[in-house]
Amino acid sequence: EVQLMESGGGLVQPGRSLRLSCAASGFTFDEFGMHWVRQIPGKGLEWVAGVSYDGTYTGYVDSVKGRFTISRDNAKNSLYLQMNSLRVDDTAFYFCVKDRLGLMSGDFDSWGQGILVTVSS
Amino acid sequence: DIQMTQSPSSLSASVGDRVTITCRPSQSINNYLNWYQQRPGTAPRLLIFASSRLHTGVPSRFSGSGSGAESTLTINGLQPEDFATYYCQQTYSVPHTFGQGTKLELK
Repeated sequence: EVQLMESGGGLVQPGRSLRLSCAASGFTFDEFGMHWVRQIPGKGLEWVAGVSYDGTYTGYVDSVKGRFTISRDNAKNSLYLQMNSLRVDDTAFYFCVKDRLGLMSGDFDSWGQGILVTVSS
Repeated sequence: DIQMTQSPSSLSASVGDRVTITCRPSQSINNYLNWYQQRPGTAPRLLIFASSRLHTGVPSRFSGSGSGAESTLTINGLQPEDFATYYCQQTYSVPHTFGQGTKLELK
């Protein structure tokens, strides 16, 4: 059974940094692309960033380019999202998501339970 | 970015009904379209990918179709567990944008 467990969320002040982690199990981690998707409580879904199975290719939504960095450590079966220069409008639940394929197809076939990031002074 | 417009935004139906949700992209996406279900307090779940392919474990009462400018999700014979919010998503180009969601409520 695929399991994705996010950690590292919490309350942070605007302009500060936070690093999210996702521990993956139940599948061969280094064969699949991975993503972060966020959701403002009570609102819709927004794809934030994705990384290919080997870390070679990454992609970001425009609103986080230059501020967020997605990375993975296949030896540790872990996905990360380094979030710098955080803004109030980055406040959301962040989901760790597995791709159906090795590259970033965008087919999100398994999701973590989500972790809340609150940016507020 | 490709904009995805879902309709309706909300829908009331009864157990056993057949419902259809529509998604219209702002440009052609060549049937690179997925559907997700999200129940309250839980993460989304992939139902259909590539417009009409049922994801593993998804009941056959869910189906998807697409025709160039518009894609639809149909649920035949609503079950109590189907009352949730549904999102379409395009995977034709990055960023992989979602529709605004359709909330399916019990009448």
